[in-house]
Amino acid sequence: DAGITQSPRHKVTETGTPVTLRCHQTENHRYMYWYRQDPGHGLRLIHYSYGVKDTDKGEVSDGYSVSRSKTEDFLLTLESATSSQTSVYFCAISDPKMRTGSLLGGYNEQFFGPGTRLTVL
Amino acid sequence: AQSVTQLGSHVSVSEGALVLLRCNYSSSVPPYLFWYVQYPNQGLQLLLKYTTGATLVKGINGFEAEFKKSETSFHLTKPSAHMSDAAEYFCAVRTVLTSYGKLTFGQGTILTVHP
Repeated sequence: DAGITQSPRHKVTETGTPVTLRCHQTENHRYMYWYRQDPGHGLRLIHYSYGVKDTDKGEVSDGYSVSRSKTEDFLLTLESATSSQTSVYFCAISDPKMRTGSLLGGYNEQFFGPGTRLTVL
Repeated sequence: AQSVTQLGSHVSVSEGALVLLRCNYSSSVPPYLFWYVQYPNQGLQLLLKYTTGATLVKGINGFEAEFKKSETSFHLTKPSAHMSDAAEYFCAVRTVLTSYGKLTFGQGTILTVHP
């Protein structure tokens, strides 16, 4: 299994408080992702990173920010948590396998962390 | 842009019966397709993937899937269900044009296996 840890694994917080979730990898993979999982919605991409200090928004980025100061760490911050952000959050990693003449990522899979269950009261 | 539809949010089978989980995709270019499994309170694990080449793909735990371009489908099957197969299954897609390895996931199918 890929070495991916998430912390904390469980957190209960109150509306309006800031929350930071951490994803740590030991695989030296270039790409990292944050998803949230909600019933009936599958996994939805919040933010992703394609290198140190290189991040971009996913489909549900409102209310979230990220930072990546080292290859191995990708932080997700909820600046002011709301009840709608109660969810299970997953971090994932992947690494591009360059195809000849292409700068786009290859077709390797993503590896997932164990998840963080966040409850906002 | 690509999309994925999983038909049936819940599927229930008896132990020993055929498992069939349906996935249809939409993509204007050839897709790369993935099936992931999630056991309770765990992260997602890759079951199998289709990239290029053989359209029948075999994965772990006896699962397989067939890429059918004409039907834009990538259904997951297993000849004989085990109790341990009870989990949630996700189909996902990306293409050669998708930047940074991003995946688009279906909504998931919960598989229940009855004794």
